[in-house]
Amino acid sequence: GENVEQHPSTLSVQEGDSAVIKCTYSDSASNYFPWYKQELGKRPQLIIDIRSNVGEKKDQRIAVTLNKTAKHFSLHITETQPEDSAVYFCAAPTQTGANNLFFGTGTRLTVIP
Amino acid sequence: EPEVTQTPSHQVTQMGQEVILRCVPISNHLYFYWYRQILGQKVEFLVSFYNNEISEKSEIFDDQFSVERPDGSNFTLKIRSTKLEDSAMYFCASSEGLLNEQFFGPGTRLTVL
Repeated sequence: GENVEQHPSTLSVQEGDSAVIKCTYSDSASNYFPWYKQELGKRPQLIIDIRSNVGEKKDQRIAVTLNKTAKHFSLHITETQPEDSAVYFCAAPTQTGANNLFFGTGTRLTVIP
Repeated sequence: EPEVTQTPSHQVTQMGQEVILRCVPISNHLYFYWYRQILGQKVEFLVSFYNNEISEKSEIFDDQFSVERPDGSNFTLKIRSTKLEDSAMYFCASSEGLLNEQFFGPGTRLTVL
């Protein structure tokens, strides 16, 4: 089965700075890596995902990079804004070919105005 | 935009009682999931459901849990003989297919007294 580790657990940045959150996974056959944002008391919402056939994907201020050899993937948020403050979770399938997600432990991002 | 809905939003029950949590997945989605999140912790996979049967379940999903799709729209999670440690937020999710975005419902907060 999959195991996903996420770092850091908390991250504070000044508004306008960049934030980087990193995750490592254990199953080399994992092929789908979503990132979810969860605001306090709300549901997790997908912000970006990447499949194993690409190394990077970008959507405006958010990007994800994947290093299959090292089995890690990272979330990059540029030009952070106060509304980016939330808990971010990375995830990977629990087993090859499955869609069931094993979540990381989360990173609480605080953007200081 | 279609959303996953869940009822009730908050359920309080006595230890040992049975509860049924209800979900209405997005109508054209084929895969359904239950996750739980203990307060302040990560999201944990419970079970996935496809083609009217369980496709995968985690170690958490033991004999006290069951799922059902009683009709064409509802997807339920039943917890028999609830325990104090079952207190958590339970999220239902659905996706169109494998490796597609999982859309989460707003959650049901279960409190076992």
